This record gives sequence, structure tokens and C-alpha cells, in this order.
Amino acid sequence: AQKVTQAQTEISVVEKEDVTLDCVYETRDTTYYLFWYKQPPSGELVFLIRRNSFDEQNEISGRYSWNFQKSTSSFNFTITASQVVDSAVYFCALSEWGSQGNLIFGKGTKLSVKP
Amino acid sequence: EPEVTQTPSHQVTQMGQEVILRCVPISNHLYFYWYRQILGQKVEFLVSFYNNEISEKSEIFDDQFSVERPDGSNFTLKIRSTKLEDSAMYFCASSEDRTYNYGYTFGSGTRLTVV
Repeated sequence: AQKVTQAQTEISVVEKEDVTLDCVYETRDTTYYLFWYKQPPSGELVFLIRRNSFDEQNEISGRYSWNFQKSTSSFNFTITASQVVDSAVYFCALSEWGSQGNLIFGKGTKLSVKP
Repeated sequence: EPEVTQTPSHQVTQMGQEVILRCVPISNHLYFYWYRQILGQKVEFLVSFYNNEISEKSEIFDDQFSVERPDGSNFTLKIRSTKLEDSAMYFCASSEDRTYNYGYTFGSGTRLTVV
């Protein structure tokens, strides 16, 4: 059965610190997709990144970077030089090719960045 | 950038009443989804819809729920007889295909409060 675990419930950092949000997934499919979404206090879900299971290249987008490791079934997200605007709940999600496109979400990690 | 539009943003209804949540997916998308998020909890899949029929549904999506694409642009979620535990944020999402190369976009949500 598919499952996404975000073990960190809450993280608090001071501005300009680097922070890594962990995501571990379980799936039996060989083809699957991993996502990260940001949910700011206003409540919407903001897409950050999608990765497919055949692409293990790490990705960097500005202050954000993602480390995908199939060997450990992890898809971790790092924010470099965090800012107060990064404060939000971050969700990792998994979609298996065998499903009809439904995303299985982790429970989320609440990140608080203090000035 | 194309958006998924949901209306209303907030709806209050009395227990036992029927409620219809509306969504306008991105116009060239073919797959449509509803999710819900009880306050402070993770986002949960309800149903996926493709080619004018339900392609997958979760255990949450019981006989009280139904979905419809009445006119080729709107995608609605109906809850027949609301219960207190239906209070949640409901998100609509759409995707062009199942590789998600063109995104998996969520609307900004409808907050449903059942009193």
C-alpha cells in the first residue's frame, strides 16, 4: 500500500537558517510521481515541484532544493537561507501510475521562520 | 497562468442540508479531482473523474457524495445531507494527463462549515 511519512510535525528556525523537511514514501509501483506543496496560512495549496520515479536528478530552484533518493525512498526538501515568508505547512505527496491520479499526502510539516 | 476556480470560498450550512461546491478546472485539462482537509489535518483524496465518469473514489466518498460535470466547464461536488464531520476545506484539482507534465493544479478551496 502506498504511504507518505513526514516525521517532522513542526520545525522552528530563525531567519537565514537552512532547513530540511523530510519525506519518506512507500509504494509497490515502479512508476510513480512525488510532489511538494506549500500551504500558507491563507489555506491554498501551492505547487512547488513534481518528480517522476525515473528521474533521480536533484533539483534546485532559487533557495529551494530537492533530494530524491530511491534507495532510501526519500524525497527531502531543503530551504536555504530561510525567510519569514517561508512560514507555512509543507506537504509531500505521492501518486502511483496504477492509481487514477489521486495524490496520497503526508501529514505535513509546519515550518515557522522567526525574524 | 491558468487557474482552477472554486466557488464559494466559504459556505455555512445547517446539518442535514444539501450543499453543492463548484469548481471550474483549467480548460484543456481532462482529469478532475476533489480532496478534503479537515482543519489541522492532512489533505485526503475523495474522488477522481475522467471521461465523464468516476475513475476512482476513496472510502470517504460514500453515498452522501456525488460529482458531476454538468456543462463541460463546471465540476461539482454535492453532499446530500451534511453532517457536522463534513466541515472541512474542500479542494478541487485538475490535470491535463497522468504524467502531470503540465501540472496538477489545485483551486484555492471552499471552506465548508456545518452547524
